[in-house]
Amino acid sequence: EAGVTQSPTHLIKTRGQQATLRCSPISGHTSVYWYQQALGLGLQFLLWYDEGEERNRGNFPPRFSGRQFPNYSSELNVNALELEDSALYLCASSLGQGLSSPLHFGNGTRLTVT
Amino acid sequence: GQQVMQIPQYQHVQEGEDFTTYCNSSTTLSNIQWYKQRPGGHPVFLIQLVKSGEVKKQKRLTFQFGEAKKNSSLHITATQTTDVGTYFCADYSGNTPLVFGKGTRLSVIA
Repeated sequence: EAGVTQSPTHLIKTRGQQATLRCSPISGHTSVYWYQQALGLGLQFLLWYDEGEERNRGNFPPRFSGRQFPNYSSELNVNALELEDSALYLCASSLGQGLSSPLHFGNGTRLTVT
Repeated sequence: GQQVMQIPQYQHVQEGEDFTTYCNSSTTLSNIQWYKQRPGGHPVFLIQLVKSGEVKKQKRLTFQFGEAKKNSSLHITATQTTDVGTYFCADYSGNTPLVFGKGTRLSVIA
């Protein structure tokens, strides 16, 4: 089966711009999660979508937003980019059978803000 | 909010030596999941522990869940260069998805 796919692989933006990151979950998975992995900070939970709705969000400002489409794919939008937004953004999917389901991660989008 | 603390942050071992990483929490953990991230890669699910005192093995890897469900450990016997990477523990709380520890980065010197 195809894994979680993310695009683009790399993204370079300047401060103040907007970035859009995309994620396609594994077929049959209804839950999509977004995590930020900045250097030295581990994985920080950003957003959780299930069945098209936002279920929870982490401790990030409102300029981080996203949505999930009817086909369960998702996009993450980051507005008014700041230098500290530079990080690897990982998308993960699960079967949606509760939060105990293991996460399957994509390869991530490396966002660089200059 | 819930925090999962991992120690050590880094570990350098000679190939063939054993390695252990520990995951601790001040609150009771729900289920512990362990992931491995190879350099330049993405986290890959290894195992989930659910029951108090549970021990699971995967070849040279042994995973334990503490009796009080406040700690967990991953032990690798006779490390190999293929074990290189960062090992993360993670737990969820209530309606909050997985909270990850900061990970232990393992380097294996051949």
